[in-house]
Amino acid sequence: RKEVEQDPGPFNVPEGATVAFNCTYSNSASQSFFWYRQDCRKEPKLLMSVYSSGNEDGRFTAQLNRASQYISLLIRDSKLSDSATYLCVVNMKQAGTALIFGKGTTLSVSS
Amino acid sequence: NAGVTQTPKFRILKIGQSMTLQCTQDMNHNYMYWYRQDPGMGLKLIYYSVGAGITDKGEVPNGYNVSRSTTEDFPLRLELAAPSQTSVYFCASSPVSSYNSPLHFGNGTRLTVT
Repeated sequence: RKEVEQDPGPFNVPEGATVAFNCTYSNSASQSFFWYRQDCRKEPKLLMSVYSSGNEDGRFTAQLNRASQYISLLIRDSKLSDSATYLCVVNMKQAGTALIFGKGTTLSVSS
Repeated sequence: NAGVTQTPKFRILKIGQSMTLQCTQDMNHNYMYWYRQDPGMGLKLIYYSVGAGITDKGEVPNGYNVSRSTTEDFPLRLELAAPSQTSVYFCASSPVSSYNSPLHFGNGTRLTVT
């Protein structure tokens, strides 16, 4: 099983749609979790951290399921500007730098 | 604030040539990192530093060297370029460990080795 796995997509959705991405991770001792956004030919930028209780930031909701070892990202009311690649990032341990990046899920929102 | 600045943005190297990718940050972050991203792949950590004078290997260090003489600068050196080093290189920084702190990335350097 790969350390961090994501469905590469692409997910093609119309404006206003709700779309969800899942990400699974292999190490049950993983400590922290993030979603990053990467626009085409640009650097990744933090979208949101993922907390155990789940968290929401506007149209974006992140969930963590430790028992099943997956995290999810829900985007409601998709905008054209949401078109990007979404990277699932897992930190495998508390000390040092053990960030593992998924390959990303590509979202394309059309009008 | 400029954040994390990388130079050059693009570079073409011939096999066997050497070059240094420059990275500087003005946020006084202790942690700095070098990643490479190959098409369709996740970012892979090359080297990282937890402070001036301290560096350590990441997941894919072979063929690269780094130094950290100041808090601001973290250059990445390629000594003998190989086609396998064709990639996009990102430098990043964080104030504390990436465990609980987001990474701030530079714009990237696109390197082609032919």
